[in-house]
Amino acid sequence: EVQLVESGGGLVQPGRSLRLSCTTSGLTFGDYAMSWVRQAPGKGLEWVGFFRSKFYGGTTEYAASVKGRITISRDDSKSIAYLQMNSLKTEDTGVYYCTAMQTRYSSGWGYFDYWGQGTLVSVSS
Amino acid sequence: QSALTQPASVSGSPGQSITISCTGISSDVGSYVLVSWYQQHPGKAPKLMIYAVTERPSGVSNRFSGSKSGNTASLTISGLQAEDEADYYCCSYAGSSTLVFGGGTKLTVL
Repeated sequence: EVQLVESGGGLVQPGRSLRLSCTTSGLTFGDYAMSWVRQAPGKGLEWVGFFRSKFYGGTTEYAASVKGRITISRDDSKSIAYLQMNSLKTEDTGVYYCTAMQTRYSSGWGYFDYWGQGTLVSVSS
Repeated sequence: QSALTQPASVSGSPGQSITISCTGISSDVGSYVLVSWYQQHPGKAPKLMIYAVTERPSGVSNRFSGSKSGNTASLTISGLQAEDEADYYCCSYAGSSTLVFGGGTKLTVL
């Protein structure tokens, strides 16, 4: 059974930093691109960014709304993905989902095949 | 990149069929096969229901089907069941290495 478990969420003041972790099991981690999707309270889904699998270059892509403030990384030896968020704003508040994407295209892209249960990030003074 | 346009809500009775539309522009939905649909029940994580416009992941009921015409993708659910009541989101590649979601549609089973 594939499992993705996020951790690291919580209450943080504007301007501060936070690092989320996504611990996975039940899948060959290195074969998957890892992506983060967030959902503001009562709102829709927003793609945040992703990290291609090593076979497809191991590079990252980010949404324009967060580019420059976030970094996605991964440790294939531990099957863990990370989301480092800096200079947090109140509008970053929401549930952050870790997702595993089976690469289906030569560009390294795929779909959000597996999801974690999400971790809540609240940015407030 | 603007969100894809979905109706805020749709409804149907058990056994009926409903279709949820997802309208983008020529540079996202209209240009790529990388279109997918996700189901989200309250308080739960989303679930992949359709990928590559028309494909169903293993384990997803064949009552769910996808299609695309021009800049609009559609999700059709036939034989509506109470358990289908949820929020549904479309997602498309939008070029320049970005993805965009629709605003979401709340499906009510009457």
